[in-house]
Amino acid sequence: LAKTTQPISMDSYEGQEVNITCSHNNIATNDYITWYQQFPSQGPRFIIQGYKTKVTNEVASLFIPADRKSSTLSLPRVSLSDTAVYYCLVWNYGGSQGNLIFGKGTKLSVKP
Amino acid sequence: EPEVTQTPSHQVTQMGQEVILRCVPISNHLYFYWYRQILGQKVEFLVSFYNNEISEKSEIFDDQFSVERPDGSNFTLKIRSTKLEDSAMYFCASSEGLAGVKETQYFGPGTRLLVL
Repeated sequence: LAKTTQPISMDSYEGQEVNITCSHNNIATNDYITWYQQFPSQGPRFIIQGYKTKVTNEVASLFIPADRKSSTLSLPRVSLSDTAVYYCLVWNYGGSQGNLIFGKGTKLSVKP
Repeated sequence: EPEVTQTPSHQVTQMGQEVILRCVPISNHLYFYWYRQILGQKVEFLVSFYNNEISEKSEIFDDQFSVERPDGSNFTLKIRSTKLEDSAMYFCASSEGLAGVKETQYFGPGTRLLVL
């Protein structure tokens, strides 16, 4: 399973765009990149998932370069409520391994 | 929007007692999971369940743990004889699992278990 590396913490201010980059140098051909968000004392919440290029939904955008060795989660115009831990995960879609392996994530603190 | 629900939200028990944590997965989902998160630590996979049997389990999921789908809606995690180190937040998750393919997992709000 590909290991991921992401910053331990990031600070931002309300209204700014936040970009969290994750490295996954050993990503395999069948691996997908997925991001989860977790608020204190709550379960992880799926944000976005992609395989290559760019994916956008109502919450975030995910940028994946051609070599797929990294990905960047982009949160437009963050608010205080976006303060949370963000996890980058790489997993094999459709393979025998279905469990998600969480790292320590990036703790995003949004200030007023 | 459909969601995974868990009961109870909090559970306090004495060491050595049995506890059952309950989950109601999203209704059309076929894959179910349990994860745990010890305070301040990472979310850890325990077990996955598909077609009424365990699909995968981690080293944490030893003989003290068991899972069951007693009816068409509930999915339970039983800890037979709790230990202090079982104190954690336990999350249930489910995914569609169409044709055996695992997809996005949706997590419940968790049950906070405290073993005294």
